[in-house]
Amino acid sequence: DTEVTQTPKHLVMGMTNKKSLKCEQHMGHRAMYWYKQKAKKPPELMFVYSYEKLSINESVPSRFSPECPNSSLLNLHLHALQPEDSALYLCASSYTTSYNEQFFGPGTRLTVL
Amino acid sequence: GEDVEQSLFLSVREGDSSVINCTYTDSSSTYLYWYKQEPGAGLQLLTYIFSNMDMKQDQRLTVLLNKKDKHLSLRIADTQTGDSAIYFCAEVPGDGGSQGNLIFGKGTKLSVKP
Repeated sequence: DTEVTQTPKHLVMGMTNKKSLKCEQHMGHRAMYWYKQKAKKPPELMFVYSYEKLSINESVPSRFSPECPNSSLLNLHLHALQPEDSALYLCASSYTTSYNEQFFGPGTRLTVL
Repeated sequence: GEDVEQSLFLSVREGDSSVINCTYTDSSSTYLYWYKQEPGAGLQLLTYIFSNMDMKQDQRLTVLLNKKDKHLSLRIADTQTGDSAIYFCAEVPGDGGSQGNLIFGKGTKLSVKP
């Protein structure tokens, strides 16, 4: 299995909702990443988990809360989002953070109303 | 800080070669990557080159690296309509290499005309 899966594919939520994005990989990778991508822009790093511990938080607002329950799973909990948070959220994984050959999932297209 | 620079658009005819250029920022970057993104999809890792190499060839793809000028290029031979996509170059800065910090260029949109 050489892929990263993400669910849901699309998500529409109101500003008062709480929702979660899920990412899964079964490649034995110990580093997992969340990126945010706005239209016609490159991905921007949000969080890095290394061996299930948060190693990088790129000054992301607290309305985004990451969680890594085990080495295969990565969640992003969303609460009280703003319309400007609408974007494609991409998950990626790599063997470790020292081996940066990152494999990306297909993304979750998030719309905040 | 400086940005990873790429031209925004490239248009070629089917069967021609495409060359996508990138100027990166950190002369101590260890790995440089090329990713492809089709509309509405995630990023697909195409190829990468280690900083001690000048060239890497993988089927239709050739990567050239000029460390002196911090210039990276991706050549696609016999370009097909299925190659139409956005191509991102990415670097791992020397001081971020242990933390997985990929720095992306803005992306080059390749359009292939039949």
